[in-house]
Amino acid sequence: DAKTTQPPSMDCAEGRAANLPCNHSTISGNEYVYWYRQIHSQGPQYIIHGLKNNETNEMASLIITEDRKSSTLILPHATLRDTAVYYCIVRVAGWETSGSRLTFGEGTQLTVNP
Amino acid sequence: DADVTQTPRNRITKTGKRIMLECSQTKGHDRMYWYRQDPGLGLRLIYYSFDVKDINKGEISDGYSVSRQAQAKFSLSLESAIPNQTALYFCATMRPDNTEAFFGQGTRLTVV
Repeated sequence: DAKTTQPPSMDCAEGRAANLPCNHSTISGNEYVYWYRQIHSQGPQYIIHGLKNNETNEMASLIITEDRKSSTLILPHATLRDTAVYYCIVRVAGWETSGSRLTFGEGTQLTVNP
Repeated sequence: DADVTQTPRNRITKTGKRIMLECSQTKGHDRMYWYRQDPGLGLRLIYYSFDVKDINKGEISDGYSVSRQAQAKFSLSLESAIPNQTALYFCATMRPDNTEAFFGQGTRLTVV
């Protein structure tokens, strides 16, 4: 799996957009970008994933650069409950078991301030 | 009910004791995982299983063993617990298309 680089911490004001960057310059053509978050010692929670097109769901948006070497997770209106560690993970998707292992780095601690 | 249930949620045990952490899932997925998390660090993979007959070591399997009793159940054992196995342990299951993993709430294990 490609290596990812994330800032160790970020702050955001409540109600503002939180933009979390991730660098993955060695990503392969068949690797997807996944985002998970972990709220204070709870089990990680899936947020979103994408290959090359921008993606949006009820939780967040994922913007992937055209060269796919970096991406940004956007929480459009951050709340205090979004304070968590956010993990960017790159790996192969699909039905093969080789793509089913999740490798977690140290992530970005996002703190949403009132 | 939670998709992935871990028991116990907290446990204190003595060095040298055998302990089992249990995990059950209601998602109906074949793929299950055990992770360990130390303070301030990311999750590290201990063991994973693609089905009842397919069990694989992860990056930190020494000192641990697992049992996949059924599709829904995956247990982690510490045969002889040691203090540096004090950590937060997570069980997870994965969709067959590898798009989303579901994690339990964790077991906080302290070895004294």
